[in-house]
Amino acid sequence: EAQVTQNPRYLITVTGKKLTVTCSQNMNHEYMSWYRQDPGLGLRQIYYSMNVEVTDKGDVPEGYKVSRKEKRNFPLILESPSPNQTSLYFCASSLSRTSSHTGELFFGEGSRLTVL
Amino acid sequence: AQTVTQSQPEMSVQEAETVTLSCTYDTSENNYYLFWYKQPPSRQMILVIRQEAYKQQNATENRFSVNFQKAAKSFSLKISDSQLGDTAMYFCAFMFQGAQKLVFGQGTRLTINP
Repeated sequence: EAQVTQNPRYLITVTGKKLTVTCSQNMNHEYMSWYRQDPGLGLRQIYYSMNVEVTDKGDVPEGYKVSRKEKRNFPLILESPSPNQTSLYFCASSLSRTSSHTGELFFGEGSRLTVL
Repeated sequence: AQTVTQSQPEMSVQEAETVTLSCTYDTSENNYYLFWYKQPPSRQMILVIRQEAYKQQNATENRFSVNFQKAAKSFSLKISDSQLGDTAMYFCAFMFQGAQKLVFGQGTRLTINP
């Protein structure tokens, strides 16, 4: 089954304790991206990756890191989480952003993160 | 910068009624795509319908249709014969051709009452 898998789905942590949210897709998609969802703000892009070893900042990258060592994986790293990073996080993937293909995004199921 | 505005934070209708969700956007681009995503309580993001800006014909997917007014930069979603399973948060989203991201609206929480 074609899917985007995120882990963990729920996490409660404390300020400053490094954490990683993993994302994996099995569709051989080139493009992957992270969004955060906050009430009244919709979804905002954190980082994206056009392909392996190619990453770039989205609209709200502060406090986050990403890596793309393999095509299928795109982990989101919070080196020193703070309470303002409490949010619902989505990983998404798409076939390509370089062609005229509209690139419908396939979303993971979301990861609810609480930073105390 | 592109922005998407959904002016209705919440809506509620009775089952079988028709409901229209509003969305406006702001862009100077000419080639772009518009989307409606549904997010049920499971939190999953589900693509409901997509519209290419160069197409004048409004997109339709079963009970879901859009009213795309390019000059007015309006992209409303109409749900006909609403069902309990339509209860969800609905997000309008925009992407110009070749862009690296979707720009989302704030969302409209729709409740279908029995």
